[in-house]
Amino acid sequence: DVQLVESGGGLVQPGRSLRLSCAASGFTFDDFTMHWVRQAPGKGLEWVSGITSTGGVRGYADSVKGRFTISRDNTKNSLFLQMNSLGPEDTAFYYCAKERLGHIDYWGQGALVTVSS
Amino acid sequence: NVVLTQPHSVSEAPGKTVTISCTRSSGSGVSNYVQWYKQRPASAPTLVIYDDYKRASGVPDRISGSFDISSTSASLTISGLRTEDEADYYCQSYDGSNWVFGGGTKLTVL
Repeated sequence: DVQLVESGGGLVQPGRSLRLSCAASGFTFDDFTMHWVRQAPGKGLEWVSGITSTGGVRGYADSVKGRFTISRDNTKNSLFLQMNSLGPEDTAFYYCAKERLGHIDYWGQGALVTVSS
Repeated sequence: NVVLTQPHSVSEAPGKTVTISCTRSSGSGVSNYVQWYKQRPASAPTLVIYDDYKRASGVPDRISGSFDISSTSASLTISGLRTEDEADYYCQSYDGSNWVFGGGTKLTVL
């Protein structure tokens, strides 16, 4: 079975950094584009970033461009999101997601990031 | 930038039919396909419809998707409403190489 397990969430002060990880299993990780999608408490879904199977192409939402960096380690079946200069507006559940042909077919359970002093 | 606009909420009685719209604003896109995701409280989203009308695995045929080119609007239709259909529904498409989600529609089955 496909599993996506996020880790690294927590409480962080404004202006600080945090790195999320996603451990993938149950599929050939280096065959698929991966994404991060976030959801502020009580709000809707927001696409954050995506990375192609080899890591050669990365995309970012305007709201995080220049602050967040997506990466992957195909030797460890892992996806990462480095988040810098965090602000209260970044408080959200962050979902790791697997893409199949233009849609997300599997989602992780989410990691909560809370930015607060 | 592409914006996907959904109604904030819809409600209908069990056994009835409801349609949720997703209207795409002007903008570029490598693909204009629309996907629909369902999210129950305290759960991750799950795929319902992809490529405008294709059902995800396990989705019953009382749930369907469509796209109207003239209005650049996608629709999710659920017939024979059941209590388990009550959830938030999100449409998703593309803006160039980036992805875009609609604001979500809360479906209440009265």
